Amino acid sequence: GESVGLHLPTLSVQEGDNSIINCAYSNSASDYFIWYKQESGKGPQFIIDIRSNMDKRQGQRVTVLLNKTVKHLSLQIAATQPGDSAVYFCAERGYSSASKIIFGSGTRLSIRP
Amino acid sequence: DGGITQSPKYLFRKEGQNVTLSCEQNLNHDAMYWYRQDPGQGLRLIYYSQIVNDFQKGDIAEGYSVSREKKESFPLTVTSAQKNPTAFYLCASRSGGDTQYFGPGTRLTVL
Repeated sequence: GESVGLHLPTLSVQEGDNSIINCAYSNSASDYFIWYKQESGKGPQFIIDIRSNMDKRQGQRVTVLLNKTVKHLSLQIAATQPGDSAVYFCAERGYSSASKIIFGSGTRLSIRP
Repeated sequence: DGGITQSPKYLFRKEGQNVTLSCEQNLNHDAMYWYRQDPGQGLRLIYYSQIVNDFQKGDIAEGYSVSREKKESFPLTVTSAQKNPTAFYLCASRSGGDTQYFGPGTRLTVL
């Protein structure tokens, strides 16, 4: 079946550097993509989303890039801080907001002081 | 956590017991969802409800039941038929838009 996956299960980054978390998706019909952040023992927190008619979207210190040609999604975090330590999930969904969301297994981001 | 509360935070169940996990939201959202999270895996959909008095099975509904008698509440019962219930359970809700907002989760452990 269709699935969303991640290239790297863990990522270690020096504090202050930029982080890039990657995600591959397999359903070319997916229209909407989301990044969530989950801290230990807590529920996922929405970070940023992007629709398939866009290539890039920026938020506060975060940027999501979508490459539909190779079905690749990435989350860039600028000037990584200790508070960014968490597991990051990508997710995909069809066009309708009522469509089921498919979640990836997550990448753990750890910050080196 | 966006106005979504889950209780209890930790729950212990003996084998053969049914337990009910609470999910309440004050966001006036129509749609609500229950997910199960296991270590190293993505979230898996158990049940969802698009509107009061209506709900549908997700991918792993066996051994679970839900009700949606009120817009604010979507309780999940883990029955004795669920053979491996130890997991982290997450409730989410959505308005008419795209984004699902999650509660803080309930960690269920079978003794």
